[in-house]
Amino acid sequence: EAGVTQFPSHSVIEKGQTVTLRCDPISGHDNLYWYRRVMGKEIKFLLHFVKESKQDESGMPNNRFLAERTGGTYSTLKVQPAELEDSGVYFCASSQDGAGLAKNIQYFGAGTRLSVL
Amino acid sequence: AQSVSQHNHHVILSEAASLELGCNYSYGGTVNLFWYVQYPGQHLQLLLKYFSGDPLVKGIKGFEAEFIKSKFSFNLRKPSVQWSDTAEYFCAVNTKAAGNKLTFGGGTRVLVKP
Repeated sequence: EAGVTQFPSHSVIEKGQTVTLRCDPISGHDNLYWYRRVMGKEIKFLLHFVKESKQDESGMPNNRFLAERTGGTYSTLKVQPAELEDSGVYFCASSQDGAGLAKNIQYFGAGTRLSVL
Repeated sequence: AQSVSQHNHHVILSEAASLELGCNYSYGGTVNLFWYVQYPGQHLQLLLKYFSGDPLVKGIKGFEAEFIKSKFSFNLRKPSVQWSDTAEYFCAVNTKAAGNKLTFGGGTRVLVKP
């Protein structure tokens, strides 16, 4: 079974440019989460999809960030325009849905390291 | 809102030494507790989890953690570390009330010297 995959693994862009990160969750996982780790800080929640719907986007820093999950499969996170403080590692995670405890177990991708110069 | 603190940012120890990493959380209700590990160049992997029941939980690779509700703690232990345990370790919690999103501690980098 394939795990959570993220693309690209590393992106270097200049301030003001646009970057789109992609996450492919584990097949059949309805829950998809985005997290971010800024250097030296803890991993922080950005948002949560259930299928194609945004369940919780309380962690999104500002309106320069746009997340989508069309069709309820893969998700993209676009940063436009990128600022220096957006640099960090962006993690995606997925989990099953349902009434049981399995939905609490999140499986993570390797992350995308974003460097804004 | 829930929060998690990990006591040590960096730990250096020799092979065969015992390891204990502290984790405390703040939340008054029912929590689920996790330890994740990130080996160099790899993705975050679940080491172990606590949902309910026996407060001493065993995970992969010889790790265990003890949930002490009165202390709001979930410390990670391993009796004898190996060089391959060099990694960054993250404590995390989630709650049903918060929609199951994970709240992480700051992470502890562990370096095991051969």
